[in-house]
Amino acid sequence: GAGVSQSPSNKVTEKGKDVELRCDPISGHTALYWYRQSLGQGLEFLIYFQGNSAPDKSGLPSDRFSAERTGGSVSTLTIQRTQQEDSAVYLCASSFTSGGAGEQFFGPGTRLTVL
Amino acid sequence: AQSVTQLGSHVSVSEGALVLLRCNYSSSVPPYLFWYVQYPNQGLQLLLKYTSAATLVKGINGFEAEFKKSETSFHLTKPSAHMSDAAEYFCAVSDPNTGGFKTIFGAGTRLFVKA
Repeated sequence: GAGVSQSPSNKVTEKGKDVELRCDPISGHTALYWYRQSLGQGLEFLIYFQGNSAPDKSGLPSDRFSAERTGGSVSTLTIQRTQQEDSAVYLCASSFTSGGAGEQFFGPGTRLTVL
Repeated sequence: AQSVTQLGSHVSVSEGALVLLRCNYSSSVPPYLFWYVQYPNQGLQLLLKYTSAATLVKGINGFEAEFKKSETSFHLTKPSAHMSDAAEYFCAVSDPNTGGFKTIFGAGTRLFVKA
């Protein structure tokens, strides 16, 4: 029974480059979430998916951020033209529920460093 | 818009003492409320949640929280702290009327337990 996995675990990139962060949710989980955790701050909601659909994209910080989910499973968060302020830990979570009160199971995160 | 305020970024207690971590929320509707814990070098995991059933909610590891609508609070307590409780604790809120998926987290409270 694998949990939520994320790759890469660490990513160092240069300012202006694009990065892709991957999330593999727990099998059968219909909901998938992306958060950003900056040093000393809580989790910042970015986006959630119900199946392959993202009903609320208002949490994405700018149009440089995008996310997709295919096959109701794997999700990719893409950051274009990275900036230093994008440096953070990006967390993915999934839940098995038709409603939002279900327990979210979190992955270990991807630590992104933009030089 | 919903929001969560956790009072005290750091709380220190002695082993065996009462643990009290404070959380106040802002919501125009009765919310879903959650406490998550992040142990050192581990992912976040759910401690407990309130979803409009009993106002006193019991969670794992002896923690409980009480939903007080009049005070817009959802404080986390444990009668007797253990060294293993040292971790970061996050309070979170979501809106059932929009499915409850968009989850807003507080900034977190780091709990230190002294021997």
